[in-house]
Amino acid sequence: QKEVEQNSGPLSVPEGAIASLNCTYSDRGSQSFFWYRQYSGKSPELIMSIYSNGDKEDGRFTAQLNKASQYVSLLIRDSQPSDSATYLCAVNMRSGGYQKVTFGTGTKLQVIP
Amino acid sequence: NAGVTQTPKFQVLKTGQSMTLQCAQDMNHNSMYWYRQDPGMGLRLIYYSASEGTTDKGEVPNGYNVSRLNKREFSLRLESAAPSQTSVYFCASSEASRDRKAFFGQGTRLTVV
Repeated sequence: QKEVEQNSGPLSVPEGAIASLNCTYSDRGSQSFFWYRQYSGKSPELIMSIYSNGDKEDGRFTAQLNKASQYVSLLIRDSQPSDSATYLCAVNMRSGGYQKVTFGTGTKLQVIP
Repeated sequence: NAGVTQTPKFQVLKTGQSMTLQCAQDMNHNSMYWYRQDPGMGLRLIYYSASEGTTDKGEVPNGYNVSRLNKREFSLRLESAAPSQTSVYFCASSEASRDRKAFFGQGTRLTVV
């Protein structure tokens, strides 16, 4: 089992729709969860972080966390063509006494005009 | 406002050559990371450093060595490059607290022929 799992996609949504991106993780002790956006040929950039169960909203983005189910998701409302990118889920996990950030393989999102 | 700076941005090596990728951050972060990114594989951790003077292996450390020169700098060395090491390499840094938001450099595109 991968430590952080995402569907690779591509996920295609029409402009203006809600895009829903999902992620599961293996370490029940994880406390910090992040979503990164990566445009083709660019480095990942942080768009959301969440630490507590429930929803966290920031503009058109909502992160959702369910620690009991080991599940974190990202909703993008009113999707725009500029949202087309790969979205990486990242989890802060324990490893050998240290904490480190582990990434999923990413979900490619395509917003169709 | 540099953040994380990686050099070089592009590099072509012949099989068996060696090189060092340099990374420096100016955010006073304790933790630093080296990732490689290959199509369909996501970001895979090569090595990380939880603090100055400490380094630890990640998921794919074979063929690489690292040096945490000081708090700012974390270098990655390929002693004898192989075509399998053709990839995009990212350096990142994060705080040591629960809020481990990782900030990335612009990446190094390495081709080994």
